[in-house]
Amino acid sequence: GDSVTQMEGPVTLSEEAFLTINCTYTATGYPSLFWYVQYPGEGLQLLLKATKADDKGSNKGFEATYRKETTSFHLEKGSVQVSDSAVYFCALEGVYGGATNKLIFGTGTLLAVQP
Amino acid sequence: GAGVSQSPSNKVTEKGKDVELRCDPISGHTALYWYRQSLGQGLEFLIYFQGNSAPDKSGLPSDRFSAERTGGSVSTLTIQRTQQEDSAVYLCASSYDRNTYEQYFGPGTRLTVT
Repeated sequence: GDSVTQMEGPVTLSEEAFLTINCTYTATGYPSLFWYVQYPGEGLQLLLKATKADDKGSNKGFEATYRKETTSFHLEKGSVQVSDSAVYFCALEGVYGGATNKLIFGTGTLLAVQP
Repeated sequence: GAGVSQSPSNKVTEKGKDVELRCDPISGHTALYWYRQSLGQGLEFLIYFQGNSAPDKSGLPSDRFSAERTGGSVSTLTIQRTQQEDSAVYLCASSYDRNTYEQYFGPGTRLTVT
């Protein structure tokens, strides 16, 4: 079945460091890809998305490019801040049984940014 | 506007008791999803509603789990005869329709079965 694999955490960085969180997927068809973020004590929020190959999603300085040839959707940010500390989830959404657009999530990666 | 709301925010129950978890989706959103977030299993899909019908119940872990949606709005997830392995955060999400890619998540209900 469809699945998402993302790098294990925790990832600990100093402020202003470059961030990469790797995400690869296995899917039949052409799913949409997402990064969700969960800040401490808060609910899941959509960070960015890409709906087709070569699309780049971007938001709040984060970027990810949908790479069909490598089945990847790696999350990057050029200069992280302490406020970026959170758990990041990579997810795919496909149509299942012709009816469901359910999300399939990776295991999440905890990012801790130190001042 | 108002987001997805869930109640209660926390629920502690004894093993064997039944619990009901409620989700109020964003007004006008026809698609509603339940997910579960647990330490051992990560984030996993439970059930999907389009309007009041549930075309995909494939993620419900056992027949102790059921859900309904009324009036195309509020949804209730019921767990009968709770077990300790049911302890998790139960998340609800809604989207405008099933072809809209963004799902908006509620804050979740943390269920603890003692």
